[in-house]
Amino acid sequence: KNEVEQSPQNLTAQEGEFITINCSYSVGISALHWLQQHPGGGIVSLFMLSSGKKKHGRLIATINIQEKHSSLHITASHPRDSAVYICAVHNTDKLIFGTGTRLQVFP
Amino acid sequence: EAQVTQNPRYLITVTGKKLTVTCSQNMNHEYMSWYRQDPGLGLRQIYYSMNVEVTDKGDVPEGYKVSRKEKRNFPLILESPSPNQTSLYFCASSSEGLAGPSPWGEQFFGPGTRLTVL
Repeated sequence: KNEVEQSPQNLTAQEGEFITINCSYSVGISALHWLQQHPGGGIVSLFMLSSGKKKHGRLIATINIQEKHSSLHITASHPRDSAVYICAVHNTDKLIFGTGTRLQVFP
Repeated sequence: EAQVTQNPRYLITVTGKKLTVTCSQNMNHEYMSWYRQDPGLGLRQIYYSMNVEVTDKGDVPEGYKVSRKEKRNFPLILESPSPNQTSLYFCASSSEGLAGPSPWGEQFFGPGTRLTVL
């Protein structure tokens, strides 16, 4: 079993829908990262958090340390949100990455 | 513009022919890393560097070498590439975590290098 699991693996949505991507982990962590990988391959850091909730524009990331679970929400989704979203956790001296959730938003 | 650059972006080579992928950052970050990304496996760390002349192995270091002679540069060297090193490679730099300087803080990624070894 992977130490970082994301669900769903693939997700399609209509423009305007509310999106939730989940990340569960089985190790102790110092922080959790959400990354966005565009179709062209480039990776951008979205959030780094260790508790509570963070918001940036239409993106919201939450984490529940007790349940070892984080969610990434996208409100009012747009076709430009189409990308692979990757969860990663900081465990002792390394980052452990999930395999990503591929999101496609259709007009 | 703050950025991490990698060269080349695409490379097709043959087994055993030594190659170097360059990585440079202009953000004065202390920490730099190399990752490889393979379908179904996600990103895995190859090597990382805490500072000039300080490097350490990640999860998949076999077959790779790195050096950090200057703060801004962190080249990845494949001395005898093999087909199982065909992958998408990313260089990244970082400076701050949630509790201060950390190699595991916010990662700034380069654009990626797609390597094919025949």
